[in-house]
Amino acid sequence: EDKVVQSPLSLVVHEGDTVTLNCSYEVTNFRSLLWYKQEKKAPTFLFMLTSSGIEKKSGRLSSILDKKELFSILNITATQTGDSAVYLCAVLIAGNQFYFGTGTSLTVIP
Amino acid sequence: GAVVSQHPSWVICKSGTSVKIECRSLDFQATTMFWYRQFPKQSLMLMATSNEGSKATYEQGVEKDKFLINHASLTLSTLTVTSAHPEDSSFYICSAIPGGAGGSPLHFGNGTRLTVT
Repeated sequence: EDKVVQSPLSLVVHEGDTVTLNCSYEVTNFRSLLWYKQEKKAPTFLFMLTSSGIEKKSGRLSSILDKKELFSILNITATQTGDSAVYLCAVLIAGNQFYFGTGTSLTVIP
Repeated sequence: GAVVSQHPSWVICKSGTSVKIECRSLDFQATTMFWYRQFPKQSLMLMATSNEGSKATYEQGVEKDKFLINHASLTLSTLTVTSAHPEDSSFYICSAIPGGAGGSPLHFGNGTRLTVT
């Protein structure tokens, strides 16, 4: 059965801390892995990772994929209160099927 | 680009009535759209895959007669919650992939908060 597992489920940090969110997967016909940030409404797209070992970076956020070990991490450095959200990991497999993880709820305390 | 519009943003209805939610791809064609449901503090749960011009594919445990999906054009899919009950209250989100091909990010509508009284 295809599955995507995120850890931790929730995380509370102080402003300025660095956090690492994890996403592991077991799927057939993997195409890509995506990270989304969800605040109060629909998720917004952060990164799409297709190849192993190539870091994608956007400001204080970065992400990398390991297709051998079947996981990805999302790093957020110098966290701010605006980073508080649920971070969702999704895996796209052949046939345009997406599987979402349970999400990691991040709370950044001032 | 790749904007998905969902309407309404929120709706309150009485038990037993039906509610229609629209999902439109504004600047691209979407042969496939997805409908998700999300409970508070939980992840997205795929309900069904909507295919233009054909029947939707429902996930296990989702009642197709209760959640009617119509994908009549390349830019519009609708989800109708029939005979809604309080347990149907939830956050419903649609999404689509520009171009319909794999390897593109999934773009989401802003979601519809349904409250059934």
